Amino acid sequence: SQKIEQNSEALNIQEGKTATLTCNYTNYSPAYLQWYRQDPGRGPVFLLLIRENEKEKRKERLKVTFDTTLKQSLFHITASQPADSATYLCALSAGGGADGLTFGKGTHLIIQP
Amino acid sequence: SAVISQKPSRDICQRGTSLTIQCQVDSQVTMMFWYRQQPGQSLTLIATANQGSEATYESGFVIDKFPISRPNLTFSTLTVSNMSPEDSSIYLCSVQDGLGQFFGPGTRLTVL
Repeated sequence: SQKIEQNSEALNIQEGKTATLTCNYTNYSPAYLQWYRQDPGRGPVFLLLIRENEKEKRKERLKVTFDTTLKQSLFHITASQPADSATYLCALSAGGGADGLTFGKGTHLIIQP
Repeated sequence: SAVISQKPSRDICQRGTSLTIQCQVDSQVTMMFWYRQQPGQSLTLIATANQGSEATYESGFVIDKFPISRPNLTFSTLTVSNMSPEDSSIYLCSVQDGLGQFFGPGTRLTVL
């Protein structure tokens, strides 16, 4: 069955360092992958989308990589700040907008001052 | 990106009753999606709603329990029928545009 794995342990990072979150998947051939931020009691906020033919995408302090051979995406936050503390979700889709997303369970990131 | 609103933002309901959740988008979209997020869990897709056709449900979800309406390109409703405490969740609608899939703020449902 399709499976998406994110590190379920909380990730503690010191302010100013780079936080790297991992998303691994099996039994899936996603057309694209999306990363979201979710704060307690709120809906997910879209951050970045990367397509299967893209290796890397950047947006301000965020960088996402997508390796379809390793079946892995890495999500980096550089110069991390306490305000970056949240749960980050990885989601995959097989289609071109006609499909809903399959989500990982998320990684809780804590940026310590 | 699309701006999505949901009503109600939260509700507390009695077992056996039904609740209809509304989702409004500020632009016309073809596909709308409904998700559920149970306490401490990630999001699970319930169904995909196209305007003018029946919703498509994911495995484990049925129309009798979660009827969906999609009367036009900016609006959809999800009804949670004959509720039980196991239906206590956050329910979210979302839409896809060229940039990504965007979510509403969610409806927090508690069933007593």
